[in-house]
Amino acid sequence: DVKVTQSSRYLVKRTGEKVFLECVQDMDHENMFWYRQDPGLGLRLIYFSYDVKMKEKGDIPEGYSVSREKKERFSLILESASTNQTSMYLCASSLLQGHGYTFGSGTRLTVV
Amino acid sequence: AQSVTQPDIHITVSEGASLELRCNYSYGATPYLFWYVQSPGQGLQLLLKYFSGDTLVQGIKGFEAEFKRSQSSFNLRKPSVHWSDAAEYFCAVYLAGNQFYFGTGTSLTVIP
Repeated sequence: DVKVTQSSRYLVKRTGEKVFLECVQDMDHENMFWYRQDPGLGLRLIYFSYDVKMKEKGDIPEGYSVSREKKERFSLILESASTNQTSMYLCASSLLQGHGYTFGSGTRLTVV
Repeated sequence: AQSVTQPDIHITVSEGASLELRCNYSYGATPYLFWYVQSPGQGLQLLLKYFSGDTLVQGIKGFEAEFKRSQSSFNLRKPSVHWSDAAEYFCAVYLAGNQFYFGTGTSLTVIP
């Protein structure tokens, strides 16, 4: 089975800190995604990548950036964390566009 | 605007009763259709998917879903709910050349 691993389950950071959320997948998937999940809003796409060094903005990219230096790793960066970025962050990968995603277990980030 | 609608925010059913979770989409073409389940504190797990062909699809954990083109619906069903089915359920669609869109989710409570 494909495994998508998010390095932290819970994180608490201070306002203004630079935050890195790491995601690694072990099945050579081309496509990787970052979502945030908030009650009543469902999942919203932050950034995605269809190849190494490639990145595309999703629906809510403001305040975030990403890095994909290697195929298996897709990092989400909060340049200066703010309290409105407190959320559950979900990483996902897929072999082909349009096929089902495999999700990581999520990182619950609290910014204080 | 293109959208995925899950009209029921929360549903409560008795263990052993049947279940139907509703999902509607508003796209001109038939998208790929998916149902995911999320247990508390976990990432999303794929239950089933529809690409084409037979409009009744079987998934894991005894779930099935039926695609009805005339109603733009893809409702999830299970004939007899188990307490372990308590979770959040997300419908998702993918339109070729586009991206995934998720519904806002339906929370299922199972009472003994």
